[in-house]
Amino acid sequence: EVQLVESGGNLVQTGGSLRLSCEASGFIFSTYGMNWVRQAPGKGLEWLSYISGGSVTIYYADSVKGRFTISRDNTKNSVYLQMNSLRVGDTAVYYCVTGLKGARENYWGQGTLVTVSS
Amino acid sequence: DVVMTQSPLSLPVTLGQPASISCRSSQSLVYSDGNTYLNWFHQRPGQSPRRLIYKVSNRDSGVPDRFSGSGSGTDFTLKISRVEAEDVGVFYCIQGTHWPPFTFGQGTKLEIK
Repeated sequence: EVQLVESGGNLVQTGGSLRLSCEASGFIFSTYGMNWVRQAPGKGLEWLSYISGGSVTIYYADSVKGRFTISRDNTKNSVYLQMNSLRVGDTAVYYCVTGLKGARENYWGQGTLVTVSS
Repeated sequence: DVVMTQSPLSLPVTLGQPASISCRSSQSLVYSDGNTYLNWFHQRPGQSPRRLIYKVSNRDSGVPDRFSGSGSGTDFTLKISRVEAEDVGVFYCIQGTHWPPFTFGQGTKLEIK
């Protein structure tokens, strides 16, 4: 059974940092590009970042470039999102996701809630 | 960035009736490999999204055949032949042709009348 399990969400003050983790199982993790997508309360979906299977290719949305860093450890079947300089507008449920392009299988985690307060 | 525009944003439907959602992109989604990377996701209340359709018209595993996708270029449609109670939620289109960034439509909220 495929599983993506996010963790690390918490309540943090503006300007603070958090590190989100996503642990995968049930598929060959190292062969899949991984994404982070977020959803602000009552809002739609926003793509944030992508990392290729071997970490060679990394992309960010403009909204998080310079503040967020994606990384992965294939020995631990995990992908991470280091979030710095957090803003109230970063409050959202954060999901790790595969298959956004449509070329491979699509898997989602259950999400982890990040709340940034002023 | 490619802008994805969905309509309607709210879709009240009677059980058993058909439903249709439009998704338009600001530029053609035909990729250099000949594929069109336009996908549809469904998010039930309180749940994570899941993909229903990939590359315009291909249903993901386990997706009922009452869901169908069509379109080309910049105009795409998701159709539900007979709406069921479990279809309540928000439907999103997303383009994977001109990325980064991946861009989603605003979402269409389907509710039962």
